[in-house]
Amino acid sequence: AQSVTQLGSHVSVSEGALVLLRCNYSSSVPPYLFWYVQYPNQGLQLLLKYTTGATLVKGINGFEAEFKKSETSFHLTKPSAHMSDAAEYFCAVSEGLRQGAQKLVFGQGTRLTINP
Amino acid sequence: DTGVSQDPRHKITKRGQNVTFRCDPISEHNRLYWYRQTLGQGPEFLTYFQNEAQLEKSRLLSDRFSAERPKGSFSTLEIQRTEQGDSAMYLCASSLSGSLAGLFGRSDTQYFGPGTRLTVL
Repeated sequence: AQSVTQLGSHVSVSEGALVLLRCNYSSSVPPYLFWYVQYPNQGLQLLLKYTTGATLVKGINGFEAEFKKSETSFHLTKPSAHMSDAAEYFCAVSEGLRQGAQKLVFGQGTRLTINP
Repeated sequence: DTGVSQDPRHKITKRGQNVTFRCDPISEHNRLYWYRQTLGQGPEFLTYFQNEAQLEKSRLLSDRFSAERPKGSFSTLEIQRTEQGDSAMYLCASSLSGSLAGLFGRSDTQYFGPGTRLTVL
């Protein structure tokens, strides 16, 4: 069975500082990995995804993540935080296209707060 | 894309009543998923459809829950005899799978709707 662990349910950074949100996964098959963002009372918006190929993936709003198979990690970073980045972030894993249905298994989420 | 839409956005009901939610996926998408999100948690998979066929159901989906996608387009999720523990956000997502994904330049990414927040009193 697949699982996702997000270290830190709350992360607080100053505006302009580095954002680092941690995600570790467990999967018995090659995973597909995703980061989604959720603003209050809204659905989830895809930030970025890793399927195959380049392990450093770039997403929207200046975010990027690096797939590290040896560490089973997929941490999300942004060099300089903006006030509009304040939201809930979810890491998710799926079994990948070769396995058929791609239901997502989500972590518990990390709430990002930006201090002015 | 017009995006995934869900109706209603909010539903308040009394314990024991039945409720039904609707999801309209992105028009060319052949897969449709339902997830449930409780406060402070990540979404949890409930069920999914490929076209009109319901291919997988989670153990979370008790006998009181039923989902349909009669013509392979919109889907409904019904909860019978609601309980307070059913209070949650119900999220719908759609994706394009298989060879159609390559045609449209996508790889089965799930796009989520805004959700329906259910409160059971």
